[in-house]
Amino acid sequence: DTGVSQNPRHKITKRGQNVTFRCDPISEHNRLYWYRQTLGQGPEFLTYFQNEAQLEKSRLLSDRFSAERPKGSFSTLEIQRTEQGDSAMYLCASSLAMRETEAFFGQGTRLTVV
Amino acid sequence: KQEVTQIPAALSVPEGENLVLNCSFTDSAIYNLQWFRQDPGKGLTSLLLIQSSQREQTSGRLNASLDKSSGRSTLYIAASQPGDSATYLCAVEGGNQFYFGTGTSLTVIP
Repeated sequence: DTGVSQNPRHKITKRGQNVTFRCDPISEHNRLYWYRQTLGQGPEFLTYFQNEAQLEKSRLLSDRFSAERPKGSFSTLEIQRTEQGDSAMYLCASSLAMRETEAFFGQGTRLTVV
Repeated sequence: KQEVTQIPAALSVPEGENLVLNCSFTDSAIYNLQWFRQDPGKGLTSLLLIQSSQREQTSGRLNASLDKSSGRSTLYIAASQPGDSATYLCAVEGGNQFYFGTGTSLTVIP
């Protein structure tokens, strides 16, 4: 296992289009997180899954955003009707189910909305 | 709401110097604190994890300390090298998420 994998690495889309990102966590990790990072800022929390259950969502996750984790394995993050303000790096992280364990991040998906 | 602050925002040092990066947080009810490194345009690489019951962790030239009661952590980098140039982020785990600071951008000059 080579760590958390995110695809695609880069995505350029026109405003108003829908985009979907994929995250494959480390295989034995139950917890999965999505974060968004804009230039010069720290990552901001979007949502959290434990296995297939989405247990927490940030207010940043508007109605245009939806995330799934079918069967508790990979996860997808979809943005509908993209806006220029959605341009950012989208990061996925995973960790074991227990508290106080290390979180591992993927390389991120860079979204540019033109 | 947990707030994490990192000082300084940017730091430039000559190669070989020892340096300290600072991280503070407002709510001491944390599960752990983790330091990450981020290279431009890349994801986050985990450097050190300090669990809430621990006071410090070491890995090679890196040493991180945690003082929960005062809401502070430091990352000490010994004998800095140009390859250490990156942004360093600290994150505290609380509830169901990690709270991040805005990072310290480190440049090590050869």
